[in-house]
Amino acid sequence: AAGVIQSPRHLIKEKRETATLKCYPIPRHDTVYWYQQGPGQDPQFLISFYEKMQSDKGSIPDRFSAQQFSDYHSELNMSSLELGDSALYFCASSLGLAGGRETQYFGPGTRLLVL
Amino acid sequence: KQEVTQIPAALSVPEGENLVLNCSFTDSAIYNLQWFRQDPGKGLTSLLLIQSSQREQTSGRLNASLDKSSGRSTLYIAASQPGDSATYLCAVLYNTDKLIFGTGTRLQVFP
Repeated sequence: AAGVIQSPRHLIKEKRETATLKCYPIPRHDTVYWYQQGPGQDPQFLISFYEKMQSDKGSIPDRFSAQQFSDYHSELNMSSLELGDSALYFCASSLGLAGGRETQYFGPGTRLLVL
Repeated sequence: KQEVTQIPAALSVPEGENLVLNCSFTDSAIYNLQWFRQDPGKGLTSLLLIQSSQREQTSGRLNASLDKSSGRSTLYIAASQPGDSATYLCAVLYNTDKLIFGTGTRLQVFP
């Protein structure tokens, strides 16, 4: 079965650079979520989109922005990167918000290292 | 504040043992609870999801129970195998989009 696809899988950037992470949800899933997992920490929710509209927002820095496109894929844009942004970034997808909270299926993550 | 805690933080057992991993949450008004497995440096694999109206879910050697009133969930692993070695995370969903993750239990099953 198709899973959530994230690209790139690994990314190395320098401080103050920008990065763009991409997420392709499971086919027919219309909701995507972004999480950040720092070294030795549990994942923290950043932001989510349903039907191309932002539906919830967590501890996402102002330097980060995200959007969901018409084909439901999503991109997380990170600017003015800091050392503390080094983490594993997960995307998850689910089917629909209306009527219930469905299982979130996670992608393999993008490992970002900021030097 | 909505918090999720897991006990123990780490567990090392010989192959074949039956295990119980614990998860507690401070706010009992949950929507659902998920158990995940994470291998080192890898993604999150969903193991079981329990809706707030359910008491337990089973998948193979895994059984998860939910007691909303006491704010607890347990993950029971029967006849553990070395391949079960991983970090197990429970995550709670309230009436928002964000999953609130626990601190995880790092499990090692040795032959």
